[in-house]
Amino acid sequence: QSALTQPPSASGSPGQSVTISCTGTSSDVGGYNYVSWYQQHPGKAPKLIIYEVSKRPSGVPDRFSGSRSGNTASLTVSGLQAEDEADYYCSSYAGSNKGVFGGGTKLTVL
Amino acid sequence: EVQLVESGGGLVQPGRSLRLSCAASGFTFDDYAMHWVRQVPGKGLEWVSGISWNSGRIDYADSVKGRFTVSRDNAKNSLYLQMNSLRVEDTALYYCAKDLKYSGSTFEYWGQGTLVTVSS
Repeated sequence: QSALTQPPSASGSPGQSVTISCTGTSSDVGGYNYVSWYQQHPGKAPKLIIYEVSKRPSGVPDRFSGSRSGNTASLTVSGLQAEDEADYYCSSYAGSNKGVFGGGTKLTVL
Repeated sequence: EVQLVESGGGLVQPGRSLRLSCAASGFTFDDYAMHWVRQVPGKGLEWVSGISWNSGRIDYADSVKGRFTVSRDNAKNSLYLQMNSLRVEDTALYYCAKDLKYSGSTFEYWGQGTLVTVSS
């Protein structure tokens, strides 16, 4: 199970949009509609913000959106706000009950 | 309100064993798959193990296969992780996570974690 590939860092100014990529293979990201994204603030547990590629759990602002093209999934944060500064992780179903995470991206709001 | 409370972490010597527990409440426990995910402080997330709602499907990361055993007791709303032959590299914060479904790997809710430190 190889980790999914994410850029280590991303940044944007308040109000701007930023997109974080997550690249896997046809055995995970490209093979199932079960890509999810998690937001983690320092010292806190991760929080689910996108599931099944593009769905948002109740309570997650619509500034967060997900998409996928082939073996690469993307998380877009629109209208950046200070509280969006956090680590973001993608994850994909990899068969049975297996999961695989990306290495994480640190989002900085300038 | 969904609550997941992990316990059982601590300091242990290499080669020894430890058993983690996760007490769940606020949802119908036996309707959902459950997982263990770990995180070395300051590093990324690593999926460790997953178990379906009825324990019929169980999976492990290659890094722990043969050493860790996941189980659940639906009558007690509890998830467990038996960790044997612990290694220094198993040192991490271990999270219990509820799946979105009865089987799969979408981590809908997370506990606050229990810290496992493997050191001589």
